[in-house]
Amino acid sequence: QSDLTQPPSAAGSPGQSVTIPCTGTSSDVGGYNYVSWYQQHPGKAPKLMIYEVSKRPSGVPDRFSGSKSGNTASLTVSGLQAEDEADYYCGSQADSKVVFGGGTKVTVL
Amino acid sequence: QMQLQESGPGLVKPSETLSLTCAVSGYSITSDYYWGWIRQPPGKGLEWIGSISHSGRTYYNPSLKSRVTISIDTYNNQLSLRLNSVTAADTAVYYCARDVRSAQHYWGQGTLVTVSS
Repeated sequence: QSDLTQPPSAAGSPGQSVTIPCTGTSSDVGGYNYVSWYQQHPGKAPKLMIYEVSKRPSGVPDRFSGSKSGNTASLTVSGLQAEDEADYYCGSQADSKVVFGGGTKVTVL
Repeated sequence: QMQLQESGPGLVKPSETLSLTCAVSGYSITSDYYWGWIRQPPGKGLEWIGSISHSGRTYYNPSLKSRVTISIDTYNNQLSLRLNSVTAADTAVYYCARDVRSAQHYWGQGTLVTVSS
């Protein structure tokens, strides 16, 4: 069982938006602005998509955005494209450790 | 461009020690940042193992702390992981990564370690 809670799946049609919630506690998501999101395609290493709640690394399309309210962080993928079909994981600082969510499989219909 | 590459035995026997190294190229690991290990059991999610600062300060997942050691080899510019007393539950793909404020910005390709007799 993961420290952070994510829905196992989400789906959307091309061009639509999908939002993935990541729920923690005041000891992790709610207590720090150090929430990150990772995209993982099958057989590949995870790729950082969002860090510090809402910042995008260089090269990540602006279709990906992050936010946080209380103990829940969210990743929104706008204008879904076929290549966005992947597993997405959230991560957060939690005292002196890092915790992850269980992952959400995004399907592009 | 910075790259990370994990290496080590792909098969470890139960009760033995898992040892992996992560060769870092394009950046000196003693210059800055934290460097860490994350693992992913087959078909499952990510688990943070621990990290080490460029100056050698370590942080470990409490669930693994009694069995894990992360160190830096400054001469070879690489990161090391040792996990003692392994069981089948330690079978996973092991990744090394560069950590900035708890976000892993750069990842190695990962290496599968199977624990089996």
